[in-house]
Amino acid sequence: QVQLVQSGAEVKKPGSSVKVSCKTSGGSFGSYALSWVRQAPGQGLEWMGRFIPILNTTSNAQKFQGRVAITADTSTNTAYLELTSLRSEDTAIYYCARYGGYYYLDVWGEGTAVIVSS
Amino acid sequence: DIVLTQSPATLALSPGDRATLSCRASESVFSYLAWYQKKPGQAPRLLIYDASNRATGIPARFSGSGSGTDFTLTISSLEPEDFAVYYCHQRIRSDTFGQGTKLEIK
Repeated sequence: QVQLVQSGAEVKKPGSSVKVSCKTSGGSFGSYALSWVRQAPGQGLEWMGRFIPILNTTSNAQKFQGRVAITADTSTNTAYLELTSLRSEDTAIYYCARYGGYYYLDVWGEGTAVIVSS
Repeated sequence: DIVLTQSPATLALSPGDRATLSCRASESVFSYLAWYQKKPGQAPRLLIYDASNRATGIPARFSGSGSGTDFTLTISSLEPEDFAVYYCHQRIRSDTFGQGTKLEIK
């Protein structure tokens, strides 16, 4: 059974950066693309970008261009989301999710809370 | 980006009722649309993919239909655990989600 295990909650100052990790266990890391999705308090789901291990490529939502970096370490089956120049509006729960066999998000991590506050 | 517009924003129904949720795309996404259920404190759960296919383990009371720009999620007879927020999602070009429909108990 594939599981995505995310890193713990973070509290950050405005203008700083955060790096959230997502470790795949119980499955083949390189076989599926991974996505990052966030949900701010009281808001809906927002797609941020994806990483395709087999192609070693990333694709980010235009809104986050220049502020988001999605990377992966295949030796540890771990994907990372780094968000820079943090502002209060980036306070949210950040989820990683796997694109399964039909290329939809069928397995999700538990979420990582990121709080941006001075 | 493709914009997904869900309606209604909130739907108040009773257990046993039939729920019909709508998702409209700003341009055709063919059948490349999914539905997710989101409960507070939990990760989203995939319900329907490719517009009309139930994901593994999803009860038969959930069904999806539509293609092109208009899609519908139907829950035939609401169970207490079905009251949640539902999102549609397209992945044909730079994924986007709808803003969600909150299904609440009447």
